[in-house]
Amino acid sequence: DVKVTQSSRYLVKRTGEKVFLECVQDMDHENMFWYRQDPGLGLRLIYFSYDVKMKEKGDIPEGYSVSREKKERFSLILESASTNQTSMYLCATRSQESSYNSPLHFGNGTRLTVT
Amino acid sequence: DAKTTQPPSMDCAEGRAANLPCNHSTISGNEYVYWYRQIHSQGPQYIIHGLKNNETNEMASLIITEDRKSSTLILPHATLRDTAVYYCIVRVYGGSQGNLIFGKGTKLSVKP
Repeated sequence: DVKVTQSSRYLVKRTGEKVFLECVQDMDHENMFWYRQDPGLGLRLIYFSYDVKMKEKGDIPEGYSVSREKKERFSLILESASTNQTSMYLCATRSQESSYNSPLHFGNGTRLTVT
Repeated sequence: DAKTTQPPSMDCAEGRAANLPCNHSTISGNEYVYWYRQIHSQGPQYIIHGLKNNETNEMASLIITEDRKSSTLILPHATLRDTAVYYCIVRVYGGSQGNLIFGKGTKLSVKP
């Protein structure tokens, strides 16, 4: 089974703090994704990466950056946290092989509260 | 982008089959239908996907109509642990490689 591990389940940060959300996968998947999930808005893609040191903006990249220095690890960075970034953050991975129809595998999420 | 329409909620008795419908009338010929579910406070879990043939795995069956405009996810013997929000998604092409648009889904409540 694919295992996608997010470093924290719950996180509380203050406005203006720099926040790191970490995601690690154990299946050697090339593609990794960061989503946020908000009530009434579903899942929205923030950033994704299809290889080490490669990154692409998703639908809502503003206020976020990412880092992929190793294949198994994909970090989401909030340079200066704001209250509107309070959300559930979900990391996902997918194999490049047959990527046309490969499913996403999600971590259990990090619920971030910015006060 | 192909959009999907699902009922907002459904109930099912424990041990009975749960049949969750999804309409995707604008689906393109080579777009896949995916089903995920999300149990409260957890990340979405992949269930099954298909193109045009019916599919079955250890979790569920997927029935896709011949015109591919709708599909049904079947949980053959629902348990209380199947209570979750179920999302029907059609693969979207475009600049965001692999982006899947999650709608609001169907909240399935399995009752004893």
